Amino acid sequence: KAGVTQTPRYLIKTRGQQVTLSCSPISGHRSVSWYQQTPGQGLQFLFEYFSETQRNKGNFPGRFSGRQFSNSRSEMNVSTLELGDSALYLCASSFAGGEETQYFGPGTRLLVL
Amino acid sequence: TQLLEQSPQFLSIQEGENLTVYCNSSSVFSSLQWYRQEPGEGPVLLVTVVTGGEVKKLKRLTFQFGDARKDSSLHITAAQPGDTGLYLCAGPFTGGGNKLTFGTGTQLKVEL
Repeated sequence: KAGVTQTPRYLIKTRGQQVTLSCSPISGHRSVSWYQQTPGQGLQFLFEYFSETQRNKGNFPGRFSGRQFSNSRSEMNVSTLELGDSALYLCASSFAGGEETQYFGPGTRLLVL
Repeated sequence: TQLLEQSPQFLSIQEGENLTVYCNSSSVFSSLQWYRQEPGEGPVLLVTVVTGGEVKKLKRLTFQFGDARKDSSLHITAAQPGDTGLYLCAGPFTGGGNKLTFGTGTQLKVEL
């Protein structure tokens, strides 16, 4: 069974641009969560999608948004990039999105210049 | 706000030594998970502890959940270079769904 895949793996953008990151969950998994990891703040929850609906949201500004498609694939978008958005963005999937094991992808490393 | 504090933040030891990593909170968690993350990869789940006082062993790793379900520890016996990585504890958000609150992390380096 293939794991969680994220594309692209690395990305360089400049301030003010926008970016879209993609996550393909494990086959059969319907819950996809996104996390931001930085050296200063650690791993922080962004949002969770289940059956194409946002079910949970972290404490991030509205520049961070996401969506989920009918095949459970998910995308997150960051508009008007700031230097502080440089981070490793991790996607995790689980079957039903309860208190169960989440499987993480390798992440997308975003550098904002 | 549910916070998880880990200590120590950094640990550099020699192969064969023992170590303990702590994960503490003022909040009660229904369960706690421990992950290990290697450079360039996402976190990989090591174990989930659910019952207060529970002890789980995974080869040389021993995990314990505090009686009050507010803290947990990870003990590694005879550490090996392959144990090097970032160790993270995490607990589910009480608001439901699949949101995890992660600890501050412990960066472990085991040298030959």
